[in-house]
Amino acid sequence: QSVLTQPPSASETPGQRVTISCSGSSSNIGSNFVTWFQQLPGTAPKLLIYRNNERPSGIPDRFSGSRSGTSASLAISGLRSEDEADYYCAVWDDSLRGWVFGGGTKLTVL
Amino acid sequence: EVQLVESGGDLVQPGRSLRLSCAASGFIFDDFAMYWVRQAPGKGLEWVSGISWNSGSIGYADSIKGRFTISRDNAKNSLYLQMNSLRPEDTALYYCAKGTGSYIKYYFDSWGQGTLVTVSA
Repeated sequence: QSVLTQPPSASETPGQRVTISCSGSSSNIGSNFVTWFQQLPGTAPKLLIYRNNERPSGIPDRFSGSRSGTSASLAISGLRSEDEADYYCAVWDDSLRGWVFGGGTKLTVL
Repeated sequence: EVQLVESGGDLVQPGRSLRLSCAASGFIFDDFAMYWVRQAPGKGLEWVSGISWNSGSIGYADSIKGRFTISRDNAKNSLYLQMNSLRPEDTALYYCAKGTGSYIKYYFDSWGQGTLVTVSA
């Protein structure tokens, strides 16, 4: 059971917008920046969003992040087939004094 | 370009030990915290451990605390994970990851390709 809760799956058609949620608590999302990773099939995870809503260079602005209270969200607009991947949220937990991940959300582009 | 190359993964029996290594290049190694993250087959990501730039601050997941030890050699640009008393549930692909700051609270931005540890009789 992960400390951060994500839906196990999400799906949407190409060109549409999908949102993936990540629910935590006051000791993690409520007090620290959220990071999002994308893991394409058979590859290592890749940084997608940092500090709740910042994108590294090379990440298209179709990807956006937000945080409110003890929850965070990743939104992907203009869905493309290559966005089909597993998405993970991660955040530092002040109580555990370590990083915690969400269980991951498998995104299917129909 | 940041490069992280893990090695040392193997098939080992329960109760035995293994040492993983991560060779880093393309950045000033001793400026950044480093991490180990694992992924069991078909499962999600799990943070294992992190170490600050000067080894002064170290953190472990509860699942491996007391059995695993993280260390680094800044002169060799290398990160290590000593894994003792291995259990079948430690079977996973172990990734090395680079932090974005000196301390383990900073997020990580680069990952290696992983090294596979299989614990089985």
